[in-house]
Amino acid sequence: GAGVSQSPSNKVTEKGKDVELRCDPISGHTALYWYRQSLGQGLEFLIYFQGNSAPDKSGLPSDRFSAERTGGSVSTLTIQRTQQEDSAVYLCASSSGRGNRDTQYFGPGTRLTVL
Amino acid sequence: QQQVKQSPQSLIVQKGGISIINCAYENTAFDYFPWYQQFPGKGPALLIAIRPDVSEKKEGRFTISFNKSAKQFSLHIMDSQPGDSATYFCAASMPRNNNDMRFGAGTRLTVKP
Repeated sequence: GAGVSQSPSNKVTEKGKDVELRCDPISGHTALYWYRQSLGQGLEFLIYFQGNSAPDKSGLPSDRFSAERTGGSVSTLTIQRTQQEDSAVYLCASSSGRGNRDTQYFGPGTRLTVL
Repeated sequence: QQQVKQSPQSLIVQKGGISIINCAYENTAFDYFPWYQQFPGKGPALLIAIRPDVSEKKEGRFTISFNKSAKQFSLHIMDSQPGDSATYFCAASMPRNNNDMRFGAGTRLTVKP
């Protein structure tokens, strides 16, 4: 079926506003990841969902960041009171969830710019 | 704490040349080492991967060389083409842990025609 999709592809917001980023994983994938990619940087892990288990939130940089996954499928990453340092590309990936050697399939990302 | 160190940050190679990107890791518990390729405006995509029980894996023009004792692995792109121009990320993950994939900082490869 279709790959991982993310929306919006670009988001420009003003400092202090809240933003929501959406991820539609590959159908049937139980594992879903959010990463942040800053200019010239690698992929920074943010949060991981696996089935009905409690999410691993260990990578969230502050309490302004939160994510949820409804019905084990679509996920939303919310950033409250955005700051300029939040500007980055936010990538979502999904995998079958069978093990650490699963291929992670990435979406095209959402480029967030905080003015 | 950066557990996977990648170099160089950027690389320019002439068409037909060999591109070499190196990664070093710290944690000996890692047991899976993938490389991802990312084109501008796209998400990373799995290119090739290796397990620590082999020293080399080749797929077409792409080869991973793995040195377990040195805790290093590298990606070699033979006969580099302009279409290979992209950012390459090495990564390492723990066994039985889906959510512990550590990525290198990335290498921006430019292959000049």
